[in-house]
Amino acid sequence: GENVEQHPSTLSVQEGDSAVIKCTYSDSASNYFPWYKQELGKRPQLIIDIRSNVGEKKDQRIAVTLNKTAKHFSLHITETQPEDSAVYFCAASNGNNDMRFGAGTRLTVKP
Amino acid sequence: KAGVTQTPRYLIKTRGQQVTLSCSPISGHRSVSWYQQTPGQGLQFLFEYFSETQRNKGNFPGRFSGRQFSNSRSEMNVSTLELGDSALYLCASSFTNVGDSPLHFGNGTRLTVT
Repeated sequence: GENVEQHPSTLSVQEGDSAVIKCTYSDSASNYFPWYKQELGKRPQLIIDIRSNVGEKKDQRIAVTLNKTAKHFSLHITETQPEDSAVYFCAASNGNNDMRFGAGTRLTVKP
Repeated sequence: KAGVTQTPRYLIKTRGQQVTLSCSPISGHRSVSWYQQTPGQGLQFLFEYFSETQRNKGNFPGRFSGRQFSNSRSEMNVSTLELGDSALYLCASSFTNVGDSPLHFGNGTRLTVT
């Protein structure tokens, strides 16, 4: 089955700096890669997703890049703000009715 | 639309007991999937249901089971509870397949096994 590895497990940045979280996946058939943000005590919520026919996708300060050859994808957050502090999960799916998540990255943005 | 609703929010059980968790998806969503969340392990996929059929199952023992009703509501059951089953159990609904459309999560049920 699919295996997703996520790095780093914790990340601390200064407000205004950029943050990058990286994930690798094992199943070359994976074709859907969402990112979820989970604030303390709250449910995970989708922040951005990308499909395998696209190399990059942006939404304001958030971008995701996908390298199918290397089987890795990354989340980029620019101009970080304290409200970006949360746990971020990457995930991958090959469309076989399951979703495999990375272990999460705890991002702390220091004011 | 109302979001995904999970009940109960908290449960405390003793080893050896069994427990049933409930999940009501967003109206119109036919796929419901379940996840176990523990510190350091992230979100572990348990299983997915679509139109009352289990379509996929993660690497969990047979003590973990589930079902889905005709109104898309789903239940998850854990029998013979072990201490290691203590976790936050999240369900998520999606309009089509898991892995094809965004997941909408409930607030979870926090299970503590003593």
